[in-house]
Amino acid sequence: GAGVSQSPSNKVTEKGKDVELRCDPISGHTALYWYRQSLGQGLEFLIYFQGNSAPDKSGLPSDRFSAERTGGSVSTLTIQRTQQEDSAVYLCASSPPPYNEQFFGPGTRLTVL
Amino acid sequence: DAKTTQPTSMDCAEGRAANLPCNHSTISGNEYVYWYRQIHSQGPQYIIHGLKNNETNEMASLIITEDRKSSTLILPHATLRDTAVYYCIVGPSGGSNYKLTFGKGTLLTVNP
Repeated sequence: GAGVSQSPSNKVTEKGKDVELRCDPISGHTALYWYRQSLGQGLEFLIYFQGNSAPDKSGLPSDRFSAERTGGSVSTLTIQRTQQEDSAVYLCASSPPPYNEQFFGPGTRLTVL
Repeated sequence: DAKTTQPTSMDCAEGRAANLPCNHSTISGNEYVYWYRQIHSQGPQYIIHGLKNNETNEMASLIITEDRKSSTLILPHATLRDTAVYYCIVGPSGGSNYKLTFGKGTLLTVNP
């Protein structure tokens, strides 16, 4: 079956621009997660959705970062006024009950010039 | 504080068993051991998880010591496609385990 998909696969933007990253989870997966992985670094948790609500936004690095999820399905991660330090691979994962296994997408590579 | 300790890298010959160790001496009673791997330029992939009993699935086996302070992931017949960074993670089960904390992991290189 179809896995988690993310778009775009690559995004190059200029410093100060806004970007939107999209995640399509596996159908029926109620939990959705965003992580980011900077060059040579481990994965960093950003935010977690259960349905359309986000019980934990603690990983968002600043108020320039926001995320929403609609219809219990697609999620969008928005970064406003991008900075060079935002350059990273942004990974989305989804999980069905009982939530012991997270299925990751291929990621979006964001480059801020 | 790091909750798990893994070797930085390991090598294994193709067709042989790969045994990847992980120390988690501060694991608490309700925490599980999870293993994920990340092949270059791909998203992480779940492998297996367990609490205290040994577990086996189509990908690997997980051996957890009786005191639960360490575990070993076993790939019984490693192939070149198993070359990846392997992450050992401890955390609660189910819906409480939404914030996976990935460390540096072990880079396993399977050689022909």
